[in-house]
Amino acid sequence: DSGVTQTPKHLITATGQRVTLRCSPRSGDLSVYWYQQSLDQGLQFLIQYYNGEERAKGNILERFSAQQFPDLHSELNLSSLELGDSALYFCASSVRSAGDGEQYFGPGTRLTVT
Amino acid sequence: QKEVEQDPGPLSVPEGAIVSLNCTYSNSAFQYFMWYRQYSRKGPELLMYTYSSGNKEDGRFTAQVDKSSKYISLFIRDSQPSDSATYLCAMLDYGGSQGNLIFGKGTKLSVKP
Repeated sequence: DSGVTQTPKHLITATGQRVTLRCSPRSGDLSVYWYQQSLDQGLQFLIQYYNGEERAKGNILERFSAQQFPDLHSELNLSSLELGDSALYFCASSVRSAGDGEQYFGPGTRLTVT
Repeated sequence: QKEVEQDPGPLSVPEGAIVSLNCTYSNSAFQYFMWYRQYSRKGPELLMYTYSSGNKEDGRFTAQVDKSSKYISLFIRDSQPSDSATYLCAMLDYGGSQGNLIFGKGTKLSVKP
C-alpha cells in the first residue's frame, strides 16, 4: 500500500458527461501528479500541483482541469467526455516540488466512456 | 522518434532465469533514471532510482545506466513467479520539466514456475 488513495475505483459514464476523480496524497507529501494510462499511449503525465499551486503541465487536454485543495487532496475534472478518454487515471504524490523521480502511485481510477 | 523506447514484450522466462529489461532514449538531458513495477490492476511502484551512468544493486535487482549510449537496463537475478508484472522505465530531466516523468510503454514479464 503506497499510502495514496483514489476514488472512485471504477467509473462508467456516457459521452459528453463530466466526472471528477479524487486523490489523497501520502501523509507529508506536498506534490500531487496526475497521469493517464492507455494501452496505446502508455503512462502519460497530465499535470502536477505542489502545495496548492500548479507546478508543471504535460499532455493535458483543455477539457481536463485539476486543482489541489488546502488539505492537499486533489481533484481531476474531465468534461465533454469522449470515447477516447477511456483509460486508467493515476494520481501520484511526492515530497519535493520539482524533479522528483520518487513518486508514490495510487491504485488508479478506471474510467469507461460509453 | 519517441523520447523513450521500450520493447513491450511479452517476455516469458522460467523461474530462476536472469531477466534483462532495456530502454533507450533520445534526450541527452535526462539525468535521473527509474524503474517502476506495475502488477495487473495496480498502480506503478518504484523499484530502482539511479542518477547518471553506472550500476546500482538492490537485492536481486541491478539497474545499469549508459548515458553515452542512451541505454538503461534492469537485471533480475533468480527470477520468481512473483516478479511477473509490467516493468516501466522512467526518466527525468531535472533542469527542464520540473517533475515531468517520461515513461516507456512497459515490458510485460511472465515468470513461469
